[in-house]
Amino acid sequence: AQSVTQLDSQVPVFEEAPVELRCNYSSSVSVYLFWYVQYPNQGLQLLLKYLSGSTLVKGINGFEAEFNKSQTSFHLRKPSVHISDTAEYFCAVSSGGSNYKLTFGKGTLLTVNP
Amino acid sequence: GAVVSQHPSWVICKSGTSVKIECRSLDFQATTMFWYRQFPKQSLMLMATSNEGSKATYEQGVEKDKFLINHASLTLSTLTVTSAHPEDSSFYICSARAPGQGFGYYNSPLHFGNGTRLTVT
Repeated sequence: AQSVTQLDSQVPVFEEAPVELRCNYSSSVSVYLFWYVQYPNQGLQLLLKYLSGSTLVKGINGFEAEFNKSQTSFHLRKPSVHISDTAEYFCAVSSGGSNYKLTFGKGTLLTVNP
Repeated sequence: GAVVSQHPSWVICKSGTSVKIECRSLDFQATTMFWYRQFPKQSLMLMATSNEGSKATYEQGVEKDKFLINHASLTLSTLTVTSAHPEDSSFYICSARAPGQGFGYYNSPLHFGNGTRLTVT
């Protein structure tokens, strides 16, 4: 079984400050990791993904994440946030293969204040 | 890019009636689509996996007779909430794999529709 833990339910920051949204996972097999963003009353948009290769993954909107296998983490970072980054962020894990199931964390609400 | 369109974006219905939600892949073919349910301020819970041309696979605890899924073509899956009750009020989101992004079909990330807000009165 696989699971995802997002350690912070809410993260308030000021505009232009750096931010880190934390995500830890557990799985008995190799994993594929994703971060999605959800704006109010909308579906989810893929920010970035880790499937293999370099552990530092760059995504859209200036976000990046680092896969750390020893710490089973996949934290999301942005060096300088904007008001428009205010949204819910979901970390997700999949073990891939034909039995593809995406398991989501509970989400972290990022609120960027002026 | 891969686009998944979901319709309607919101619907209000009376208790006891049925509601159909459509999920379309606009620029790619999706042999598999996924239906999620999201409660307020909570994560997405996978309800079922919709397979084109065959029966859907439901997650444990999801009533297949209440949430009917039809995946009749490679670009359309529908979710029908039958005999809806107020506790069925929720945000329903569909998603589909979009292959051809260089990682193989099963490693392709999911692309999501914009969701449907269902309110049962």
